Amino acid sequence: EVQLVESGGGLVQPGGSLRLSCAASGFSFGSFSNYNMLWVRQSPGKGLEWVSYIDWTATTTYYVGSVRGRFTISRDNAKNSLYLQMNSLRAEDTALYYCASPSVVGHTTPDYWGQGTLVTVSS
Amino acid sequence: EIVLTQSPDFQSVAPKETVTITCRASQSTGTALHWYQQKPDQSPKLLIKYASQSFSGVPSRFSGSGSGTDFTLTISSLEAEDAATYYCHQTGSLPWTFGQGTKVEIK
Repeated sequence: EVQLVESGGGLVQPGGSLRLSCAASGFSFGSFSNYNMLWVRQSPGKGLEWVSYIDWTATTTYYVGSVRGRFTISRDNAKNSLYLQMNSLRAEDTALYYCASPSVVGHTTPDYWGQGTLVTVSS
Repeated sequence: EIVLTQSPDFQSVAPKETVTITCRASQSTGTALHWYQQKPDQSPKLLIKYASQSFSGVPSRFSGSGSGTDFTLTISSLEAEDAATYYCHQTGSLPWTFGQGTKVEIK
């Protein structure tokens, strides 16, 4: 079974930076390197917001407009890991950040989710 | 950006009754519309993908239908464990977006 474990969240001041990591395992077809990956966030008590996507080759990335130019998604297929570098953080970036993956190679839907890592941006 | 509007926002339903949640998209998403269940303090779980495909392990009482701009999630014979917030999500057009959620309470 697919397991996604996020880490790296914490308290950071406005304007600061944080790097989230997601350790992935248990993919049924091939390995982590075959799957596209995503980040989705959820502000406290609020709904879900898709943040970013990276394809399996790491050559295609997408971002929601509110983070474009401040966040960078990346992956290390040798380490089965996904990352989100977050710079110039704002109070409105405060959220639980989920790592998510499809269950099918080539798909983009967030089928499996981690438990999330909490990012709090506050002075 | 495609805006997804779910209705209702909240529903209180007795066990064994049927629940219907709708998701209306501001533009066509084709069938790239998916449904998730989120219980308190848990991560979302996929129920239905591409409008009507049941995800592995999901009970058969959950079903989805629709295409274009109008979609429906149906929970037949509601059980106590189905108390949760349900979200629709579209991957038909960037930026991918979620509906605001529908909270289902068990009477």
